[in-house]
Amino acid sequence: AQKVTQAQTEISVVEKEDVTLDCVYETRDTTYYLFWYKQPPSGELVFLIRRNSFDEQNEISGRYSWNFQKSTSSFNFTITASQVVDSAVYFCALRVFRQGAQKLVFGQGTRLTINP
Amino acid sequence: GAVVSQHPSRVICKSGTSVKIECRSLDFQATTMFWYRQFPKKSLMLMATSNEGSKATYEQGVEKDKFLINHASLTLSTLTVTSAHPEDSSFYICSARDWGTYEQYFGPGTRLTVT
Repeated sequence: AQKVTQAQTEISVVEKEDVTLDCVYETRDTTYYLFWYKQPPSGELVFLIRRNSFDEQNEISGRYSWNFQKSTSSFNFTITASQVVDSAVYFCALRVFRQGAQKLVFGQGTRLTINP
Repeated sequence: GAVVSQHPSRVICKSGTSVKIECRSLDFQATTMFWYRQFPKKSLMLMATSNEGSKATYEQGVEKDKFLINHASLTLSTLTVTSAHPEDSSFYICSARDWGTYEQYFGPGTRLTVT
């Protein structure tokens, strides 16, 4: 079975601090995708990144960066120089490629609050 | 980019009535659509997977007679909450998978309140 664990339920930091959101996943499949989504108070899910299981290169996009470590089954997300607009709930998700089982499994989410 | 719309965005209905939520893929065809439910401060829970032209596949514990799903075309899926009760109040999110790229896109969600 597939499982995604986001152990940090809530994180609160002061603006301009760096913050890392943890994500640990479980799957027996060798081919899978990992995702991060942002859910602001409006409720709409905002896609941030997709990473496939064969690509362990870290990714940087502006203030956002992702660290994928297959050895520890982790896909952590770091926001550098956080801003108040980063306040949201962040979800990590996993999708495997097995036929007939192409659904996304979400972690519990981490509520991030950036205080001015 | 690909857009998925949901209508209505908010709905309030009385207990015992039925309410229909529409999910449309606006600029791509979706052979598969997903319906999720999200309780306050909780994660998204997959309710069912619908494939165009066939019956939906419901997740364990989801009552198929209560949550009717119809996926009659490649751009439209509907979720009907029948005989709604206050405990059905929730945020419902649909997602559509592009049949060509296999990318999955999410709608903005529908907040249902049953009084």
